[in-house]
Amino acid sequence: DSGVTQTPKHLITATGQRVTLRCSPRSGDLSVYWYQQSLDQGLQFLIQYYNGEERAKGNILERFSAQQFPDLHSELNLSSLELGDSALYFCASSVFSGGGTDTQYFGPGTRLTVL
Amino acid sequence: GESVGLHLPTLSVQEGDNSIINCAYSNSASDYFIWYKQESGKGPQFIIDIRSNMDKRQGQRVTVLLNKTVKHLSLQIAATQPGDSAVYFCAENKAGNQFYFGTGTSLTVIP
Repeated sequence: DSGVTQTPKHLITATGQRVTLRCSPRSGDLSVYWYQQSLDQGLQFLIQYYNGEERAKGNILERFSAQQFPDLHSELNLSSLELGDSALYFCASSVFSGGGTDTQYFGPGTRLTVL
Repeated sequence: GESVGLHLPTLSVQEGDNSIINCAYSNSASDYFIWYKQESGKGPQFIIDIRSNMDKRQGQRVTVLLNKTVKHLSLQIAATQPGDSAVYFCAENKAGNQFYFGTGTSLTVIP
């Protein structure tokens, strides 16, 4: 158990809908990262927040957004969902702002299925 | 974007043998590398890391080798066990804090 929690574990929805994924980082970690993992694909970095502020942005679609709250938990919002958005979404956390040896620890993921 | 790739998508080894999983990276400016293990239905789990000022680092039954000349990273698992069966990812970190992950190598341990 990495100490990172994600809810829900599974999510099934229809195209065009909007969903929110939630992540609670390890105690004491200030950074939260979001990743997408599609079938037979590696982990694609979406976005990072550090202490409430956006720190780095990856291949995140405009239909997706995220935020980190004062208690450091984070939410990833996915809107106008398409079939291709079906994937595993992982959250990771690290102590600092990243770089160097600031290891990321991953949550168990949320499996999103868009029908 | 950066390219972090794995030479082999699948690897099968006999229980008790040593496993070697390889990874190529493209950014010579990367200064930190991590190997993750992902079991079915779970999130990636940190195994071992190495900084670019090192060429070898050992953990418990695992060794990571870094060859900066050819931009190659490898993970060696000694005395492979059935519990080692998983997908292994290498990840590269560079300034800007963004990690790039390979697509993964699926390791199957044959009893």
